[in-house]
Amino acid sequence: NAGVTQTPKFRVLKTGQSMTLLCAQDMNHEYMYWYRQDPGMGLRLIHYSVGEGTTAKGEVPDGYNVSRLKKQNFLLGLESAAPSQTSVYFCGLPPGTSYEQYFGPGTRLTVT
Amino acid sequence: GEDVEQSLFLSVREGDSSVINCTYTDSSSTYLYWYKQEPGAGLQLLTYIFSNMDMKQDQRLTVLLNKKDKHLSLRIADTQTGDSAIYFCAEIAMDSSYKLIFGSGTRLLVRP
Repeated sequence: NAGVTQTPKFRVLKTGQSMTLLCAQDMNHEYMYWYRQDPGMGLRLIHYSVGEGTTAKGEVPDGYNVSRLKKQNFLLGLESAAPSQTSVYFCGLPPGTSYEQYFGPGTRLTVT
Repeated sequence: GEDVEQSLFLSVREGDSSVINCTYTDSSSTYLYWYKQEPGAGLQLLTYIFSNMDMKQDQRLTVLLNKKDKHLSLRIADTQTGDSAIYFCAEIAMDSSYKLIFGSGTRLLVRP
């Protein structure tokens, strides 16, 4: 959807390990978003970016950091993973002409 | 605050109509959306409605919006087994983030 890819697709981490999730777009969108989805819940916004070099916090930013050094890439970092960060992570592109968002295929992360 | 609520589960017989309901709180939202998520997959935008509309029809999908009651519904005509999925209602935050605020999702089960 809308040329957005996410890597990796799956990852298992031990508590305390770190990792970086990559969202890449091949279009020219200014805005990019990172959401997490937990069982029985909709997506909740972690961080977002309104352009290269900018980032802002969403509803659930604790334990995550982000960077947008290049317009086409939005990185989500976990410095010290915790079991509470076990989730599926989605990158969103937006807003469309009607502010709709398109989502990447997701990264399934398990922290043991 | 912003909140979107949906019923958790709906079961219908194949060929019947399905109606999935949603209530939202932010009266300033200009757009409301319906997304579909199949097991293990990402979110697919199904349709959306602009806040100055009461109804929008798109093939088998009909969206009804009652702004006074802040109530949104999605009707699927002639429901098929392939429609079995989780359906999310979302509203857009009309601040600088343009983030989407999701309900917790309604699981639709279509029985043969």
